[in-house]
Amino acid sequence: DAMVIQNPRYQVTQFGKPVTLSCSQTLNHNVMYWYQQKSSQAPKLLFHYYDKDFNNEADTPDNFQSRRPNTSFCFLDIRSPGLGDAAMYLCATSSLWGQGAWQPQHFGDGTRLSIL
Amino acid sequence: AQSVTQLDSQVPVFEEAPVELRCNYSSSVSVYLFWYVQYPNQGLQLLLKYLSGSTLVKGINGFEAEFNKSQTSFHLRKPSVHISDTAEYFCAVTNTNAGKSTFGDGTTLTVKP
Repeated sequence: DAMVIQNPRYQVTQFGKPVTLSCSQTLNHNVMYWYQQKSSQAPKLLFHYYDKDFNNEADTPDNFQSRRPNTSFCFLDIRSPGLGDAAMYLCATSSLWGQGAWQPQHFGDGTRLSIL
Repeated sequence: AQSVTQLDSQVPVFEEAPVELRCNYSSSVSVYLFWYVQYPNQGLQLLLKYLSGSTLVKGINGFEAEFNKSQTSFHLRKPSVHISDTAEYFCAVTNTNAGKSTFGDGTTLTVKP
């Protein structure tokens, strides 16, 4: 089945130690999104790639970076994680239908990041 | 700019009872409307979508929603819930131009036996 896969499902890192979360997709969608979701809150968009074009949200901290080496993969890098960065990180993909309508986003199961 | 308000943070209901989860939105441009469900420690799964056409849309697991343009609402309904429907439900709007989604804060549906 076509899907969005996030690895690892659970990640523990130390305060200030860089960490990378990965996302891969077999849907061949041209848009990939990264969301941060804290407990009992809505997902918050950090940034997204439209093909190779990177689009950062205005309130995303500089501590968060992203890479998309090809259509299938996208990475979220947190350069110096703080305690406040502990959250679920969700990757999603989407694409434009032929009529110009946006498809619903397809989500991975997320990576839960803990900071020690 | 667009925003989504889910009017109930928690909805407890007994098994086999009907349920309605309320969602209002605002936007200065055309939007698409979605409902997603999230089970513990999982990602979001699409329940249903409204893009255009008929204002009553049917989704998976017996859910349906009605788009009301004049009231800017997109309420989710199910005539008879099951224990397995216990989950977090998110209403979302997507800007038709930019493809970016805004999510509501979620409604926790708890189905009791």
